[in-house]
Amino acid sequence: AQSVTQLDSQVPVFEEAPVELRCNYSSSVSVYLFWYVQYPNQGLQLLLKYLSGSTLVKGINGFEAEFNKSQTSFHLRKPSVHISDTAEYFCAAALQAGTALIFGKGTTLSVSS
Amino acid sequence: EAGVAQSPRYKIIEKRQSVAFWCNPISGHATLYWYQQILGQGPKLLIQFQNNGVVDDSQLPKDRFSAERLKGVDSTLKIQPAKLEDSAVYLCASSSERGDTNYGYTFGSGTRLTVV
Repeated sequence: AQSVTQLDSQVPVFEEAPVELRCNYSSSVSVYLFWYVQYPNQGLQLLLKYLSGSTLVKGINGFEAEFNKSQTSFHLRKPSVHISDTAEYFCAAALQAGTALIFGKGTTLSVSS
Repeated sequence: EAGVAQSPRYKIIEKRQSVAFWCNPISGHATLYWYQQILGQGPKLLIQFQNNGVVDDSQLPKDRFSAERLKGVDSTLKIQPAKLEDSAVYLCASSSERGDTNYGYTFGSGTRLTVV
């Protein structure tokens, strides 16, 4: 069965420092990959997605992610974080269009000054 | 375009009571999903609809949970009777068509259920 693993449950970082949130997926076939952000008491907001094409994907709020097929990874990066980036981040995968998203357990990003 | 609408936003009920949640997906989205998100965890799929038919309900606790999408548009998720462990956020999502080059999933704001 397909699964998504977020390797860090919590990532504390200082403001203006770079950050990487790690995500691995298990699939022997092509997948669609997504990163969502969830602020307290809110729904899921799409940060970025990989469907095909360029392996470097740029999203909103300065985030980007790189699809690495050989390592089955889709790590999320931001070169300089802000206090407002403090939130829960979810990596998710779907085998193909029309199938349900499978989510990781989430990574809590805490940005402090 | 309008997003995925869900109601109510919050609900508190006693155990053994029943509750229903409503979802209206993005116009034209044939596929609708209900997820359960327990505090501190990632969302877990409960049921997936394609138009008004069920595609996957393998993780739906059918002894107490039911869902319908009668006209292939809006959907209702019901719990009867509720248990304490049903306390969670219930998220509804819809996805665009398979041929969409900008394919994606859009989530509603969710319904936060507290069972006391």
